[in-house]
Amino acid sequence: GESVGLHLPTLSVQEGDNSIINCAYSNSASDYFIWYKQESGKGPQFIIDIRSNMDKRQGQRVTVLLNKTVKHLSLQIAATQPGDSAVYFCADGGSNYKLTFGKGTLLTVNP
Amino acid sequence: NAGVTQTPKFQVLKTGQSMTLQCAQDMNHNSMYWYRQDPGMGLRLIYYSASEGTTDKGEVPDGYNVSRLKKQNFLLGLESAAPSQTSVYFCASSYGEETQYFGPGTRLLVL
Repeated sequence: GESVGLHLPTLSVQEGDNSIINCAYSNSASDYFIWYKQESGKGPQFIIDIRSNMDKRQGQRVTVLLNKTVKHLSLQIAATQPGDSAVYFCADGGSNYKLTFGKGTLLTVNP
Repeated sequence: NAGVTQTPKFQVLKTGQSMTLQCAQDMNHNSMYWYRQDPGMGLRLIYYSASEGTTDKGEVPDGYNVSRLKKQNFLLGLESAAPSQTSVYFCASSYGEETQYFGPGTRLLVL
């Protein structure tokens, strides 16, 4: 079946560095992708989304890149801060109201 | 705006007991969702409701029932709880088929 996966389960970075979290998807018909951040004990929080007709989208300190050729997307966090420590999920927002989530990447920011 | 709220925050049940998890949203969203999150499994969709009065099964609906009598509320029922239903349950809502906004979660332990 279709799946959304992550290349690395954990990522550790130094405060102030840039972070890159990767995600692969298998459904070539997917047209909408979302990144969520989940802090310990809390629900997933929307970060940024991107449609398949775009290659790049920027938000505040975050950028999502989409490569449809290899079915890969990434989340870049600039100047990573301790408050960015969390699990990050990508989700395939295909049609029919259903999101398919990856298992998540744990980002740890070291002071 | 409170966004998406869930009650209770924690619950302990004995095998065979029943209970209802409650979810409310004040964003006038049309669609609502119930997910469960287990370690290493990511978020899995239990049921969703595209609009008031309608519900559809997700990936893991067995052992659950839902009710969407009012637009702002989505209830998840466990008729006869089993230890396999120990999990963290998240409710989410969205305006249409796109970005979903999550509640804080309900932690359920079935003994």
